[in-house]
Amino acid sequence: DQQVKQNSPSLSVQEGRISILNCDYTNSMFDYFLWYKKYPAEGPTFLISISSIKDKNEDGRFTVFLNKSAKHLSLHIVPSQPGDSAVYFCAASHAGAGGFKTIFGAGTRLFVKA
Amino acid sequence: ETGVTQSPTHLIKTRGQQVTLRCSSQSGHNTVSWYQQALGQGPQFIFQYYREEENGRGNFPPRFSGLQFPNYSSELNVNALELDDSALYLCASSLQTGGNYGYTFGSGTRLTVV
Repeated sequence: DQQVKQNSPSLSVQEGRISILNCDYTNSMFDYFLWYKKYPAEGPTFLISISSIKDKNEDGRFTVFLNKSAKHLSLHIVPSQPGDSAVYFCAASHAGAGGFKTIFGAGTRLFVKA
Repeated sequence: ETGVTQSPTHLIKTRGQQVTLRCSSQSGHNTVSWYQQALGQGPQFIFQYYREEENGRGNFPPRFSGLQFPNYSSELNVNALELDDSALYLCASSLQTGGNYGYTFGSGTRLTVV
């Protein structure tokens, strides 16, 4: 039951360029979408979120775009820095009859080359 | 401000045994969630507790149970351990139960079932 999919296991980008991480979902009931970053031997760190009623949210170098009709969201990092090299998880949440749930994608490993 | 701490960091158990994992939430956070992360996968939602009550559950059998205490610390209990329970178990806390609040994750407990 993969309601949240990150189809690219890895992405390599040159320092200073844009990184675009993609995520697709199937459940139209999701209320919020979130991005997390994870370094080895650490727990995921929250980056940015977006409500399902918005189409864009920006925080510094990070921007998340939501296309509800396509059930697709993306995270843009501009400019990319070597310290951005990590695994990025897309997550989606909703409060339904069974209670509150957050579903994570499998992650995309980003390599930023100096 | 302390983050989320989990104990133990590593654990080896025998199939059929029971295990208890512990989590101290970030100061001021009243919501705690538990996740199971298998190698190469994203975190899988087990359940969430808000003010000592379970308010959401993923697709995990009843042998996965939890508790949240008045100080908002939490336990994850797994009975009748199976080999497939071997994974990284992550605890995450947040200020509210709403989906737009990013969670603060601990570094996890690595459970190995032999």
